[in-house]
Amino acid sequence: SQQGEEDPQALSIQEGENATMNCSYKTSINNLQWYRQNSGRGLVHLILIRSNEREKHSGRLRVTLDTSKKSSSLLITASRAADTASYFCATRGNYGQNFVFGPGTRLSVLP
Amino acid sequence: ETGVTQSPTHLIKTRGQQVTLRCSSQSGHNTVSWYQQALGQGPQFIFQYYREEENGRGNFPPRFSGLQFPNYSSELNVNALELDDSALYLCASSSGGGTAFFGQGTRLTVV
Repeated sequence: SQQGEEDPQALSIQEGENATMNCSYKTSINNLQWYRQNSGRGLVHLILIRSNEREKHSGRLRVTLDTSKKSSSLLITASRAADTASYFCATRGNYGQNFVFGPGTRLSVLP
Repeated sequence: ETGVTQSPTHLIKTRGQQVTLRCSSQSGHNTVSWYQQALGQGPQFIFQYYREEENGRGNFPPRFSGLQFPNYSSELNVNALELDDSALYLCASSSGGGTAFFGQGTRLTVV
């Protein structure tokens, strides 16, 4: 069964606005990673946050992790049309196992 | 550019045929994972290889098999293709439980 669940499933915003996507998971994790996918192409790694971290930043991206609520959020600030893509969270357990992906959030940034 | 390459990029096969997909992992990475992504869904874990041994498998039938070679490149073989096998197949390489880097995928169409 899928562990990660992104919310919302789809999001449409204007260029310049901020976009927030949420991810929930069910079991304990070693780390959680966010990926972007453009039009059925490969997954591009955005950011990794470990279970003992609460917040990380990378450029216009901000990721938070709340292990007590088993949830994470991805914030994209000052969005651009080029940010239009599907975004996935992926969780990894404590023994280097495979990733478990959610169904993704489809973000559309309108010019 | 992730350093993970997959071939071919697109493939059309007939139901009942067999297919082999290939993946070259990023230099220094000893773990390769394969995922199947149906249209509009998140990637689903097929199996993972660590130092030439399968060390994890998702909910896929035995007709999905794989290999990892001494240089850590990998193959995914699918026998007796079914229409539902049509999907994007993604390969990811990693070292330990850290960041996984994905290739651009192979789009398989079964007709």
